[in-house]
Amino acid sequence: GQQVMQIPQYQHVQEGEDFTTYCNSSTTLSNIQWYKQRPGGHPVFLIQLVKSGEVKKQKRLTFQFGEAKKNSSLHITATQTTDVGTYFCTYGGSQGNLIFGKGTKLSVKP
Amino acid sequence: DAGITQSPRHKVTETGTPVTLRCHQTENHRYMYWYRQDPGHGLRLIHYSYGVKDTDKGEVSDGYSVSRSKTEDFLLTLESATSSQTSVYFCAISGRGGDTQYFGPGTRLTVL
Repeated sequence: GQQVMQIPQYQHVQEGEDFTTYCNSSTTLSNIQWYKQRPGGHPVFLIQLVKSGEVKKQKRLTFQFGEAKKNSSLHITATQTTDVGTYFCTYGGSQGNLIFGKGTKLSVKP
Repeated sequence: DAGITQSPRHKVTETGTPVTLRCHQTENHRYMYWYRQDPGHGLRLIHYSYGVKDTDKGEVSDGYSVSRSKTEDFLLTLESATSSQTSVYFCAISGRGGDTQYFGPGTRLTVL
């Protein structure tokens, strides 16, 4: 079925380095949502992007939605150990559910 | 966090036994979902509900059934558990289909 592809699958960074994860779809998306899951935890909503070319910021996190609404990115500036976790992009499926990418697992070395 | 609880939080059972997981919400949200999470697969939808007594199958529904007799409760049943159903199960709720979802803490199920 339709899916979003996330890259990279894993990313290891030194604390203070930047981090970016990318989400790509073969079809146009009406919106995209990003979630974060800490180790041992549950997914937590971060943000929703709706408009073509939209850019939103949350402190050190910057989210972008591509002009064609087929891709999105999450950029973290100057990572901290609290950023550790798996970041998922998702979009609404035809059943009212969310279809999740496989996620990017971020580890941060202090 | 949204008012969602799951029970039990951990369960170990044997192949062939029935298992029921419960999701309870206090948010009065219409939509409720059951996902399973396995390494390398992300989260996959098992079943979902769009109202009391209204349910439908998701991507990986084989071997699972659900029931929703009240707005606040959504039950997931494994009629005869198999080792392939060892997983972490998450319940989620939302006010509208495709809208932001709020997840419960998860249930770790091990089938021996």
